[in-house]
Amino acid sequence: QMQLVESGGGVVRPGGSLRLSCVASGFSLSGYGMHWVRQAPGKGLEWVAFMRYDGTQTSYADSVKGRFTISRENSKNMLSLQMNSLSAQDTAVYFCAKDPGCSGGRCSGYFDFWGQGALVTVSS
Amino acid sequence: EIVLTQSPATLSLSPGERVTLSCRASQSVSSYLAWYQQKPGQAPRLLIYDASNRATGIPARFSGSGSGTDFTLTISSLEPEDFAVYYCQQRSDWPPLTFGGGTKVEIK
Repeated sequence: QMQLVESGGGVVRPGGSLRLSCVASGFSLSGYGMHWVRQAPGKGLEWVAFMRYDGTQTSYADSVKGRFTISRENSKNMLSLQMNSLSAQDTAVYFCAKDPGCSGGRCSGYFDFWGQGALVTVSS
Repeated sequence: EIVLTQSPATLSLSPGERVTLSCRASQSVSSYLAWYQQKPGQAPRLLIYDASNRATGIPARFSGSGSGTDFTLTISSLEPEDFAVYYCQQRSDWPPLTFGGGTKVEIK
């Protein structure tokens, strides 16, 4: 049974940092690109970051570039998101999501399996 | 950045009705468009990819069509479990990957 479980969410003060983790089970993370997608309360979906299956390529939304870092430990089947300089606009549920696959060096850019999300609240 | 505009924002319908949701892109995305369904408190679920291909396990009442800038998600006959928010998403030109604002299908 494929599963993605996020952890590390919580309440943090503006300017603070938080690290989210996403542990995969039922499949090997090393074979897939992985994304983080967030959803502010009552709002739509926003793509945040991507890392290729082998860690050789990363991409970020402009809204988080320079503040967030995506990483992975394939040996632990784990994806992480380090979030620094947080502001109220970063308050959201953060989902990790699996990319269906890569071909010719380019990953699909769809999300075919999602975790249940971790809530991050930035508030003083 | 490619902007996706979904319409309408909300649809009020009854079970058994046919549903047509629209997604328009600010520039051509070829057929590189997906549709997701999200129910309250749940993660989104991939329904359709590459405009018209149903994802694994998705019922045949869901179908997608379109190419270029105009896309449609059709539910042939609404089931009670289909009341949810639907999002389109493009992967034609990324980063960034972008989503539409969503269409809520609610019970009339």
